[in-house]
Amino acid sequence: SQQGEEDPQALSIQEGENATMNCSYKTSINNLQWYRQNSGRGLVHLILIRSNEREKHSGRLRVTLDTSKKSSSLLITASRAADTASYFCATDRFRGSTLGRLYFGRGTQLTVWP
Amino acid sequence: DGGITQSPKYLFRKEGQNVTLSCEQNLNHDAMYWYRQDPGQGLRLIYYSQIVNDFQKGDIAEGYSVSREKKESFPLTVTSAQKNPTAFYLCASSTSRTVLNQPQHFGDGTRLSIL
Repeated sequence: SQQGEEDPQALSIQEGENATMNCSYKTSINNLQWYRQNSGRGLVHLILIRSNEREKHSGRLRVTLDTSKKSSSLLITASRAADTASYFCATDRFRGSTLGRLYFGRGTQLTVWP
Repeated sequence: DGGITQSPKYLFRKEGQNVTLSCEQNLNHDAMYWYRQDPGQGLRLIYYSQIVNDFQKGDIAEGYSVSREKKESFPLTVTSAQKNPTAFYLCASSTSRTVLNQPQHFGDGTRLSIL
């Protein structure tokens, strides 16, 4: 019952380049969140975008949301080796009911080479 | 510092044995969650609790049990009925029972393996 699906599954870039990850989902949402997971660690919340917002920034992160296409993108600008991690999108609604839970995608594995 | 503490970091289970994973938070959060993560996969919800003395099954609750006797604690027991328990287990919490517009905070996980 995973709601979101990230694309691509894996992304490999050089330091200084921009990294773009996409997330598609199936049903209407209240908000969409992006998380980061370093290898062997827990997830860390990066940014939350509400359904009535189209774009949000936080430092080198830029998130967009297109509710008509049911998709979101996460852009990391001027990437660094320390950005190497898995990135997950999560939504808060599925099949029309809010049950007090999040639905996570399978994630994009980003590797940034020095 | 406020946060979520999961213990142990590594756990080994023998055949037919029940094991309990600990999750403690000092964030004063109402809601707590248990997820299972398999290699290269996303997070699958096992159980969640929106308030003390109440919890709901997630997508893969079979072979697991939980309790929520205190706001700070949400232990997960992996029973012998769970035939494939090898995975990375993550505990999370959030402030709001409805999760509306609230992020989840995660512990650093417990890696469970079968002996």
